[in-house]
Amino acid sequence: EVQLVESGGGLVQPGRSLRLACSASGFTFDDYALSWVRQPPGRGLEWVSFIRSKANGGTTEYAASVKGRFTISRDASTSIAYLQLNSLRAEDTAVYYCTRGLKTSVTSFDYWGQGTLVTVSS
Amino acid sequence: EIVLTQSPATLSLSPGERATLSCRASQSVSSFLVWYQQKLGQAPRLLIYDASNRATGIPARFSGSGSGTDFTLTISNLEPEDFAVYYCQQRSLWPLTFGGGTKVEIK
Repeated sequence: EVQLVESGGGLVQPGRSLRLACSASGFTFDDYALSWVRQPPGRGLEWVSFIRSKANGGTTEYAASVKGRFTISRDASTSIAYLQLNSLRAEDTAVYYCTRGLKTSVTSFDYWGQGTLVTVSS
Repeated sequence: EIVLTQSPATLSLSPGERATLSCRASQSVSSFLVWYQQKLGQAPRLLIYDASNRATGIPARFSGSGSGTDFTLTISNLEPEDFAVYYCQQRSLWPLTFGGGTKVEIK
């Protein structure tokens, strides 16, 4: 069974950092692209970041709103993807979902974690 | 970036009725359009990818159509579990973008 389990969310002050983790199981981690998608409370979905599979170089893409502040990475030895969040702002407050892309349509997200809430507030 | 506009914002229907949801892109996305369903307190679920391909396990009452800038998600015979919020997403160009959602509520 495919599972994505996020952790690392919490309350953080503006300007500080946080690292989110996505523990993956039930599939061959190296073979799939992964993304982070966020959802502010009561609002819609916003794509945040993407990392290609190992075979496709593991290269990354970012939304303009987070580029230069957030970093996505993946660790094949532990099947964990990370999202490092730096210089956090109030507008980064959201539930952050880890997602897996389809093999044939890598930016169509077929599995989602349960989400982890990040609250940026003083 | 590509802006996706979903309409209507809310659709009030009864079980058994047909739901027609629209997603319009600010420029052509070819067939690279995806639909998700989200129920309250849950993560989104993939319904349709690349405009018309049903994801694994999705019932046949869900269908997607369109290309270019205009897309439609049709739910042919609403079941009680279909009342939810539906989002479209384009994967044609970076950054990936989502529409604002359509809420399908019970009339």
